[in-house]
Amino acid sequence: QQPVQSPQAVILREGEDAVINCSSSKALYSVHWYRQKHGEAPVFLMILLKGGEQKGHDKISASFNEKKQQSSLYLTASQLSYSGTYFCGTEIADSWGKLQFGAGTQVVVTP
Amino acid sequence: NAGVTQTPKFRVLKTGQSMTLLCAQDMNHEYMYWYRQDPGMGLRLIHYSVGEGTTAKGEVPDGYNVSRLKKQNFLLGLESAAPSQTSVYFCASGVGLAAQETQYFGPGTRLLVL
Repeated sequence: QQPVQSPQAVILREGEDAVINCSSSKALYSVHWYRQKHGEAPVFLMILLKGGEQKGHDKISASFNEKKQQSSLYLTASQLSYSGTYFCGTEIADSWGKLQFGAGTQVVVTP
Repeated sequence: NAGVTQTPKFRVLKTGQSMTLLCAQDMNHEYMYWYRQDPGMGLRLIHYSVGEGTTAKGEVPDGYNVSRLKKQNFLLGLESAAPSQTSVYFCASGVGLAAQETQYFGPGTRLLVL
């Protein structure tokens, strides 16, 4: 079953922060975050494995709450280059090697 | 390295026509995937392969067939195209389990079925 992302869209001014959530109804083994610019292929941001770890990439970080079966992506001090659609991909315990992607969260960062 | 490449970039088909989409990767990856992306739906897995000569069904396999005769190539076929197959198709490849490594995506193929 497809994970649920929220919000569907967010508009930010440069320097503002945002949080994108990804929730699953099934137990998760890992969560993957991708960003896609309009007309381009999705680009990998980070992987989080079960265990509740948190990762960071520049000013973009993510957490994984295994008990709640959800992950959050944090955009800190947003830059214009952060604009795009963010997808979470979830790997469930009985479906190794396959990802189910959420519908995406469109992020627009304005000057 | 070219990474993951897809051919063609864009195609228009009439209902009932057939076509094959080609995906090639030069990273020696074992795993390869075909996704379709529709507005508001995210990426949905069509078929995937865990190695040369193997294929398996994903979430939305109906109307598609695949073949992995060579490790570096993964073909997606539409035997009788339908308007519902209008979409953007992405190929991806990865090494081992998705949990250990990311998936690298190709640039996509835009398909319009009239």
